[in-house]
Amino acid sequence: DGGITQSPKYLFRKEGQNVTLSCEQNLNHDAMYWYRQDPGQGLRLIYYSQIVNDFQKGDIAEGYSVSREKKESFPLTVTSAQKNPTAFYLCASSIEASGGIDNEQFFGPGTRLTVL
Amino acid sequence: SQQGEEDPQALSIQEGENATMNCSYKTSINNLQWYRQNSGRGLVHLILIRSNEREKHSGRLRVTLDTSKKSSSLLITASRAADTASYFCAVISSGSARQLTFGSGTQLTVLP
Repeated sequence: DGGITQSPKYLFRKEGQNVTLSCEQNLNHDAMYWYRQDPGQGLRLIYYSQIVNDFQKGDIAEGYSVSREKKESFPLTVTSAQKNPTAFYLCASSIEASGGIDNEQFFGPGTRLTVL
Repeated sequence: SQQGEEDPQALSIQEGENATMNCSYKTSINNLQWYRQNSGRGLVHLILIRSNEREKHSGRLRVTLDTSKKSSSLLITASRAADTASYFCAVISSGSARQLTFGSGTQLTVLP
């Protein structure tokens, strides 16, 4: 899991509530990513950020929001607009996004979100 | 739809045997990467192969890439029970996007 931490490990939310998932990295990486993984499925990109104060929508951004105020932190908010939020959420980082297409991504341990 | 699609979806072998997993993708790529995921954990990068490479080795891993067929294979030799995990291929497509697109994975079980 390297230098990326995600908290909490398990999160329970009532319908209609917003919830924020934390992702912190101490690898001095420029780029950070949020993925969603459903059972037996691959990862789908929610949002990514190549640099502080900038982020881009991924394939499934609806119902989610992010911020990138610090290089080390990339929190994800799951809003009440996300109709099916129960899933495993993974945060990742890479050393350099622009021009760094050969860079591997380092993943955190994940947060399992369950909507009650 | 997802770029990378792994085959088979699940594979069960005996310890010591070789395991081969395949990945197909749809568009031109810059590189293809393989990742491993233990149950309920994050992903770990295994190996990256560039579009101008055909084969790459790392320890007991061998990856091949055939860009004409838009396919890749991951071979794990002399498998161990600890190799039990899900294996995902992921591609970075050619063009301006720098996003990794993941397949749905192969669940490998190595029986002791």
